[in-house]
Amino acid sequence: EDQVTQSPEALRLQEGESSSLNCSYTVSGLRGLFWYRQDPGKGPEFLFTLYSAGEEKEKERLKATLTKKESFLHITAPKPEDSATYLCAVQERGGATNKLIFGTGTLLAVQP
Amino acid sequence: NAGVTQTPKFQVLKTGQSMTLQCAQDMNHEYMSWYRQDPGMGLRLIHYSVGAGITDQGEVPNGYNVSRSTTEDFPLRLLSAAPSQTSVYFCASSYGVVVGDTQYFGPGTRLTVL
Repeated sequence: EDQVTQSPEALRLQEGESSSLNCSYTVSGLRGLFWYRQDPGKGPEFLFTLYSAGEEKEKERLKATLTKKESFLHITAPKPEDSATYLCAVQERGGATNKLIFGTGTLLAVQP
Repeated sequence: NAGVTQTPKFQVLKTGQSMTLQCAQDMNHEYMSWYRQDPGMGLRLIHYSVGAGITDQGEVPNGYNVSRSTTEDFPLRLLSAAPSQTSVYFCASSYGVVVGDTQYFGPGTRLTVL
């Protein structure tokens, strides 16, 4: 069964303390891996799409990387405004159009 | 552009009642979908549409109906609400149906069924 697993479930950091979130996936073939940020009471906000192993993308303090089995979201020198739930989703090769399989997310809290 | 909009933001229903959750986008996107989000579970796909007049079932379609008469609108109908349908519902859209197109989400509808 196709699965997306995110770890840790929750992470508390001090401002400026860098860390990484993990997203591991088991699909028969990956077409794309997506990272979203979700603030309380709001819809997911798109961050990155990764398509192939070795690919990296950056946006401000965030950097996403992809291997054949997992993706990491690295957060460098985080600020309190980076506090949110970070969701990972994959699209399976051969799957129906744009179907996404989501993980349960990592709740990040950055304390000043 | 307003992006993806959803109404209502909150709704309380009694068991057995029916209602329609509205979703609209003004980006001329072909692909639209509905997800539900429950605590401890990832977003799960209910129904999706690859264009006007074309819809298909996702992972958890039971108890829900959809139609797509225009490119802009994709309403989700609850036929006879049940407590198990208490959830937060998100609508999403993307420009094309090419795999990998970014999906953009609406702000959500929080539904409680008593």
